Amino acid sequence: NAGVTQTPKFRILKIGQSMTLQCAQDMNHNYMYWYRQDPGMGLKLIYYSVGAGITDKGEVPNGYNVSRSTTEDFPLRLELAAPSQTSVYFCASSYSGHNEQFFGPGTRLTVL
Amino acid sequence: TQLLEQSPQFLSIQEGENLTVYCNSSSVFSSLQWYRQEPGEGPVLLVTVVTGGEVKKLKRLTFQFGDARKDSSLHITAAQPGDTGLYLCAGFMDSNYQLIWGAGTKLIIKP
Repeated sequence: NAGVTQTPKFRILKIGQSMTLQCAQDMNHNYMYWYRQDPGMGLKLIYYSVGAGITDKGEVPNGYNVSRSTTEDFPLRLELAAPSQTSVYFCASSYSGHNEQFFGPGTRLTVL
Repeated sequence: TQLLEQSPQFLSIQEGENLTVYCNSSSVFSSLQWYRQEPGEGPVLLVTVVTGGEVKKLKRLTFQFGDARKDSSLHITAAQPGDTGLYLCAGFMDSNYQLIWGAGTKLIIKP
């Protein structure tokens, strides 16, 4: 099993550009999550999904969108990138809501 | 403000020393997890504690959940360079699926 995979690993965007961060898991997990991690701030939940077709906002959803058309994939869309979105983004999945979360390797995004 | 406060934020000690990392809150959690994160990687679960007063051991690491389920600690005995990393606590509240994360303790063990 590959676990949770994320692409790209690094990306530099100009202000106002858009991009999609890809996330896939092969563990047949129902729950998937997107977090951002800023230095000294821990992990902040952006969006999460409890199953295909179902998504909900987390703590910091502004400036992001998600979709969950399949169990395996949970892409995160950034529209009109801003410097405040410079961060490391982690995708995670879990079998159910209160279980261990498995994380991908992260995407380091810089917006200049 | 963080709902889960971790202390210390940073700790650098010599190999062989003991240390304790704390995770505190004024809120009650149904369960609490500890993760370790190494540079360039995502967090990896070390342990989950569920019952107030619970103690779990993972080799040289001892985890304790407070009696009131508002706090937790991680004690490392005879720290080794391989213990170096960012230690994160995270808790579930009964009301939802969202993990509440602490800001982490960055631990460096010098040989």
